[in-house]
Amino acid sequence: DAGVTQSPTHLIKTRGQQVTLRCSPKSGHDTVSWYQQALGQGPQFIFQYYEEEERQRGNFPDRFSGHQFPNYSSELNVNALLLGDSALYLCASSSGTEELLFFGSGTQLSVL
Amino acid sequence: DQQVKQNSPSLSVQEGRISILNCDYTNSMFDYFLWYKKYPAEGPTFLISISSIKDKNEDGRFTVFLNKSAKHLSLHIVPSQPGDSAVYFCAASARFTGGGNKLTFGTGTQLKVEL
Repeated sequence: DAGVTQSPTHLIKTRGQQVTLRCSPKSGHDTVSWYQQALGQGPQFIFQYYEEEERQRGNFPDRFSGHQFPNYSSELNVNALLLGDSALYLCASSSGTEELLFFGSGTQLSVL
Repeated sequence: DQQVKQNSPSLSVQEGRISILNCDYTNSMFDYFLWYKKYPAEGPTFLISISSIKDKNEDGRFTVFLNKSAKHLSLHIVPSQPGDSAVYFCAASARFTGGGNKLTFGTGTQLKVEL
């Protein structure tokens, strides 16, 4: 049973560019959440997708957007990259009303 | 406004002894608490959780205690093993109106178990 998978594992971009990160949830899960983890910090909630809709959003600017597909996989898009966007981006999946989230290994984004 | 706090950035214990990791929270709406373990270059791995209606949950060497009145929880690992060396995150869950939930994480405690 595959867990949460994310791609790519590492990415280097320059300021002003755009990036797309991808996530496949754990088998049987229908809800995908995205978190940003800056160095030395805990993960911060970006947003959650369910039934292809953004269900809730954290305190992140509109440069951060997402999408969920009919197969429950998800993408995170970040436009107009800033140096401060450098972080580990984590995808987490869950099922129905469960509060337990399972995390992928993350995508390490470096903005130069 | 940090709603979940782990005030000890690091903890060092000897193999075989007890490790106690602490966490404090401020939001009374949190109804479920989790501990995750994280190794470098990996995502957080779920360790153990506790509902707000309980005060203790045990799973093998790991026990989580919840003191709602003090808004405090702790993770006990006994006996500690070298493989337990990792960063431990405390997380608190709040449900959204209409479904779903989000986790609010502390900043983590680096546990080192020494031989």
